[in-house]
Amino acid sequence: KAGVTQTPRYLIKTRGQQVTLSCSPISGHRSVSWYQQTPGQGLQFLFEYFSETQRNKGNFPGRFSGRQFSNSRSEMNVSTLELGDSALYLCASSLATRVDTQYFGPGTRLTVL
Amino acid sequence: AQSVTQLGSHVSVSEGALVLLRCNYSSSVPPYLFWYVQYPNQGLQLLLKYTSAATLVKGINGFEAEFKKSETSFHLTKPSAHMSDAAEYFCAVSDRPEYGNKLVFGAGTILRVKS
Repeated sequence: KAGVTQTPRYLIKTRGQQVTLSCSPISGHRSVSWYQQTPGQGLQFLFEYFSETQRNKGNFPGRFSGRQFSNSRSEMNVSTLELGDSALYLCASSLATRVDTQYFGPGTRLTVL
Repeated sequence: AQSVTQLGSHVSVSEGALVLLRCNYSSSVPPYLFWYVQYPNQGLQLLLKYTSAATLVKGINGFEAEFKKSETSFHLTKPSAHMSDAAEYFCAVSDRPEYGNKLVFGAGTILRVKS
């Protein structure tokens, strides 16, 4: 069974631009979560989608948004990029409605210049 | 809100020695606890999880962890370190599990294995 895939793997943007990252969960998984990983702040939860609805949201500004499609694939968007948005963005998928093992993708490395 | 503290940002052990990575959690409800490992330029891989069944949890690659409620701890151990264990390890707790999947991570511990 294929794992979680994320595209693109690497991305370079400049301040003020916007970016869209994509995540394809493991087949059959309906929950997709997004995390930001930086050296300074560590791993921080962005949001979770389940059955196309945002179920949980972390403490990030409104510039960070996401959505989930009917096939469970998810995208996250960051508008008006800032230097501090440079990070590894990780997507995780899981099967169940409640706490379940989250399987992580390899991440998208975003660099903002 | 739940929180996780990992004692020691860096741990160094000799090959064949015991690995002990410490994790303490703060939770107002029975916690769901996880250990993940991250190799360079990769995502996170689940090592093991505790979900209120047996307090001693066995995971992959010879790792195990013991849940101690009285100490609010969930330390990760491996009897004999291997060079391939060198990586960063994260302890995580599930925040408000009744509302789905949201993990709160510790700051991570980088494990170095010396030959």
